[in-house]
Amino acid sequence: DGGITQSPKYLFRKEGQNVTLSCEQNLNHDAMYWYRQDPGQGLRLIYYSQIVNDFQKGDIAEGYSVSREKKESFPLTVTSAQKNPTAFYLCASTTWTGTSYGYTFGSGTRLTVV
Amino acid sequence: KQEVTQIPAALSVPEGENLVLNCSFTDSAIYNLQWFRQDPGKGLTSLLLIQSSQREQTSGRLNASLDKSSGRSTLYIAASQPGDSATYLCAPAPRSGAGSYQLTFGKGTKLSVIP
Repeated sequence: DGGITQSPKYLFRKEGQNVTLSCEQNLNHDAMYWYRQDPGQGLRLIYYSQIVNDFQKGDIAEGYSVSREKKESFPLTVTSAQKNPTAFYLCASTTWTGTSYGYTFGSGTRLTVV
Repeated sequence: KQEVTQIPAALSVPEGENLVLNCSFTDSAIYNLQWFRQDPGKGLTSLLLIQSSQREQTSGRLNASLDKSSGRSTLYIAASQPGDSATYLCAPAPRSGAGSYQLTFGKGTKLSVIP
């Protein structure tokens, strides 16, 4: 079945450590996104990518980095510069269906600082 | 910048009741609007997508309406069931130039359907 796979489901980070969240899709979607979700808050856009080897900052990109070396993959690195990384991270992808955009989400990664 | 408000923040209803969730947005220049469902600790599942040219969209017991000029959308759930318990999010999408578009999300309405 086509979909988006995020791994790991749970991740623990020590202070000062960089960690990478994986996002893989087999939907052949062109655009991919990373959102952050905090309790009681709406989803906020971190980074997005329209095509391979190109990506753009979203509303809260500071302390994060991404790469898009393959169409199927869009990993997110949470660096030590991100002062409050504990959150639920969601990856998504879209493509033009001919009449509209279809938006698909992964199941998320919960990151906790220990 | 688009701002999205969802009212109420939480709602508890007895099973079988019909209910309405409200979403308002500040920028009416949208391309479409999506309603999503999120179960605890899970990702988002798309429920309905309404194009800016449409007034409503239906899927089973769900009906979403859109009044773009007033910046409002509603999600109507008929004959609610305990399995409908989840957080419902609305997300208008801006008109986008090419290749991608970024959704703006409301904080959601947490629905509890009591058996």
